[in-house]
Amino acid sequence: GQNIDQPTEMTATEGAIVQINCTYQTSGFNGLFWYQQHAGEAPTFLSYNVLDGLEEKGRFSSFLSRSKGYSYLLLKELQMKDSASYLCAVTNDYKLSFGAGTTVTVRA
Amino acid sequence: GAGVSQSPSNKVTEKGKDVELRCDPISGHTALYWYRQSLGQGLEFLIYFQGNSAPDKSGLPSDRFSAERTGGSVSTLTIQRTQQEDSAVYLCASSLLDLTNTGELFFGEGSRLTVL
Repeated sequence: GQNIDQPTEMTATEGAIVQINCTYQTSGFNGLFWYQQHAGEAPTFLSYNVLDGLEEKGRFSSFLSRSKGYSYLLLKELQMKDSASYLCAVTNDYKLSFGAGTTVTVRA
Repeated sequence: GAGVSQSPSNKVTEKGKDVELRCDPISGHTALYWYRQSLGQGLEFLIYFQGNSAPDKSGLPSDRFSAERTGGSVSTLTIQRTQQEDSAVYLCASSLLDLTNTGELFFGEGSRLTVL
């Protein structure tokens, strides 16, 4: 089965850094995605990690440790528009299994 | 089209009625997925298509749910005899490549179903 855990909610201040953790226990693993979903909108792709280590893309970075079943998404220089739900998802062959998402609220 | 298109965007129906939800994927994308998102819940996998065939229907909640895909393009998710617990946002996604080849999923904006 698939078990993907991430915190339900996080709050941070504009300009700050927030780290969203994701732990997973899955029957198979090909890679890990992070998606961003604004309220009432479609999820959009942020990052994909298949190997251990840190992938940096502008203000967002994603880290993966396959041996620990652990990933995090790091959001730097937070902006108000970053208020959204962040979804951790694990691929096994063709299937993408999602965690419940972390709602991040950015305060001025 | 430029993105994944779903219709209707909102559907309110009475318990016991049948509903059809449509997904028009990005042109050329062979993989198509249906997910369901209930309030405060994660995305729940329903069904996966590769071309017109559905190798994995394991996520369909009951035999009231069915889906088809024609011409390797448009897909329809049908829910018969709707129940209140079917109320959710139904999301469709498509991908050019198999996910094992880092194919990214592109999502539509979803069809919000409310069963009264």
